[in-house]
Amino acid sequence: GAVVSQHPSWVICKSGTSVKIECRSLDFQATTMFWYRQFPKQSLMLMATSNEGSKATYEQGVEKDKFLINHASLTLSTLTVTSAHPEDSSFYICSGRAGDQPQHFGDGTRLSIL
Amino acid sequence: GIQVEQSPPDLILQEGANSTLRCNFSDSVNNLQWFHQNPWGQLINLFYIPSGTKQNGRLSATTVATERYSLLYISSSQTTDSGVYFCAVALANQAGTALIFGKGTTLSVSS
Repeated sequence: GAVVSQHPSWVICKSGTSVKIECRSLDFQATTMFWYRQFPKQSLMLMATSNEGSKATYEQGVEKDKFLINHASLTLSTLTVTSAHPEDSSFYICSGRAGDQPQHFGDGTRLSIL
Repeated sequence: GIQVEQSPPDLILQEGANSTLRCNFSDSVNNLQWFHQNPWGQLINLFYIPSGTKQNGRLSATTVATERYSLLYISSSQTTDSGVYFCAVALANQAGTALIFGKGTTLSVSS
């Protein structure tokens, strides 16, 4: 089946630093990639949608200057959390989709900002 | 936007019991997936089922698209079935749209 690899799986960093999370589709070309955030005991909330070579579309309430998304190729998307603060601590999950095929999810990244 | 409601929110079972999880959605969809999120956060894709019925071992799912609901059946539950089950849908007639998740059903199976 389709595999999405997400790195790192866990990151701890100091407040004010920037953190980059990578999402790779290993065996398919992800024409669209999605980024979700999940707080403890809650559901997954969509942050943004990105199509290869285009600017990402952000959901209402998500700061595009804080959460920078790049989708430069059909197999790689990155999420950079800039000037991270403790309230940005969360579980971030990416997913990729080829056309109208099912979405395939990475294993997530636990981000802790001290 | 589309609303996705899952019930029950919590379910406690003895090992060996059967259960039915329900997902109602408020608009026409062209994609519906059921996931199991394990304690490490990994989302395990159980079914891609925008309509019809599918079975995979002890699990089966049915989606009645015209009535806007889907059911996930778990038979002979095991402790390893514990975790959160999510239903997620994508709107019809909008190619490339993201899955929208329900709030999940937290299942606890005890031995």
